[in-house]
Amino acid sequence: QVHLQQSGPGLVKPSQTLSLTCAISGDSISNNLVAWNWIRQSPSRGLEWLGRTYYTSKWNNDYAESFKSRITYNPDTSKNQVSLQLDSVTPEDTAVYYCARQFDSYFGYWGQGTLVTVSS
Amino acid sequence: IVMTQSPDSLAVSLGERATINCKSSQSVLVSSSNKNSLTWFQQKPGQPPKVLIYWASTRESGVPDRFSGSGSATDFTLTISSLQAEDVAVYYCQQYYSSPYTFGQGTRLEIK
Repeated sequence: QVHLQQSGPGLVKPSQTLSLTCAISGDSISNNLVAWNWIRQSPSRGLEWLGRTYYTSKWNNDYAESFKSRITYNPDTSKNQVSLQLDSVTPEDTAVYYCARQFDSYFGYWGQGTLVTVSS
Repeated sequence: IVMTQSPDSLAVSLGERATINCKSSQSVLVSSSNKNSLTWFQQKPGQPPKVLIYWASTRESGVPDRFSGSGSATDFTLTISSLQAEDVAVYYCQQYYSSPYTFGQGTRLEIK
């Protein structure tokens, strides 16, 4: 059974970097049939896809255009986890952040969600 | 691709049918496979979205058969044939035809 466990701070100061980790069990992050996505949800923006990372013969990233300048995904095969870094956050980045596994194209497994508040 | 759901909210009596619509701004039909790249999710408070239907009409394992999905290209429907109390939730459609993957705004389903 695939399980995604998220971790990371719930409070980030404006202009700093948001960092979250998604630890995967029951699958390998290097599985070339799978992509690992980050999605966030806020009352003002609804569900918003941030991007994904996936392994073919190398790691590939596919970021939503509006985040490209300040988002980074870091896969860690030794820990079987993927991490999200979002730079220069503002209060508008306050949201619940989810990681999700994409297999056969659809998002079948999700992490439990992490509420991140951007505030000084 | 913009996903638009209707209605925004819906109140249905227990045992009655509930229907939620989703329209995409362009076709999400994959011509090579003749599959529509659309998922329906159910979300309850404090929980992540849960897949009900993928490829527009394939029910996820363990999902009750009162949930069904239909439609093609740009117009899709989620039907709950006989509403149960545990179906109170917000429902979302999502396209995975092309990135950026996009979601509908959600439909809140309540008991009348």
